[in-house]
Amino acid sequence: GENVEQHPSTLSVQEGDSAVIKCTYSDSASNYFPWYKQELGKRPQLIIDIRSNVGEKKDQRIAVTLNKTAKHFSLHITETQPEDSAVYFCAASSMNRDDKIIFGKGTRLHILP
Amino acid sequence: DVKVTQSSRYLVKRTGEKVFLECVQDMDHENMFWYRQDPGLGLRLIYFSYDVKMKEKGDIPEGYSVSREKKERFSLILESASTNQTSMYLCASTLQGLGLEQYFGPGTRLTVT
Repeated sequence: GENVEQHPSTLSVQEGDSAVIKCTYSDSASNYFPWYKQELGKRPQLIIDIRSNVGEKKDQRIAVTLNKTAKHFSLHITETQPEDSAVYFCAASSMNRDDKIIFGKGTRLHILP
Repeated sequence: DVKVTQSSRYLVKRTGEKVFLECVQDMDHENMFWYRQDPGLGLRLIYFSYDVKMKEKGDIPEGYSVSREKKERFSLILESASTNQTSMYLCASTLQGLGLEQYFGPGTRLTVT
C-alpha cells in the first residue's frame, strides 16, 4: 500500500524567511497530493493541493511542487509570518483505490521572531 | 459551510470500559473516516465508511469497531478501552470522488486510566 514519508519533523525559521517541507510517496499510481495545516488546538484544514498532471501550484505565499518521476512533492512557504506556526501534513491518494488518503507524520513549523 | 461535530472534546474512561465516540456531519457527505493522532505518528486511519452500513478497515483497526446506521453519523467504538488507546481521535468526511477535501471535526481527546 501507499507510504508517505515527510521531512523534517520539526522546522524553525526566522520570520520573513522561507520554509520548505518535503514528502515522498511509494505508490506510483497516486495522483492527488494535498497539504493540511493544523494550528495548535484546532482541526487540520486543507491549504493547498496538487494533482499529478501539474508540476507546480501557487497560492499567494504558499506553493507546492511535484516530481512524479522521483515521487516526491514539497511545500514552500515564502515570507513566513507568525501565523504560519503550525503542524503541516502532506498526504497522497491512489487512484487505484478508494477515496482514502495516506498522511505523512507531520512537520511542526516554528516561526521565530 | 461544512460542519463536522464530535460528541465530546475531552473524555476520561477506565480500562475495560466500552467507549463510544460519535461524529456527525451536515453536508450529506458519503465518506466518513476515523483517525487517531499521536505525537510523531501523524494521522493514522482506523476505519472508514463509503455508505450507510458499510465499513472498511484502515491501517490500525485492532481494538476498534465502527457503526454507520445513518449517512450523517459515524461512530467509533472501543469495545474494551486500554491505556494504549489514549489519544486524540479525529473524524473527517468528504464527498465521494478522488481529490476532494477532507473536513475534520474538532477532535476528542480520550484518556484511558
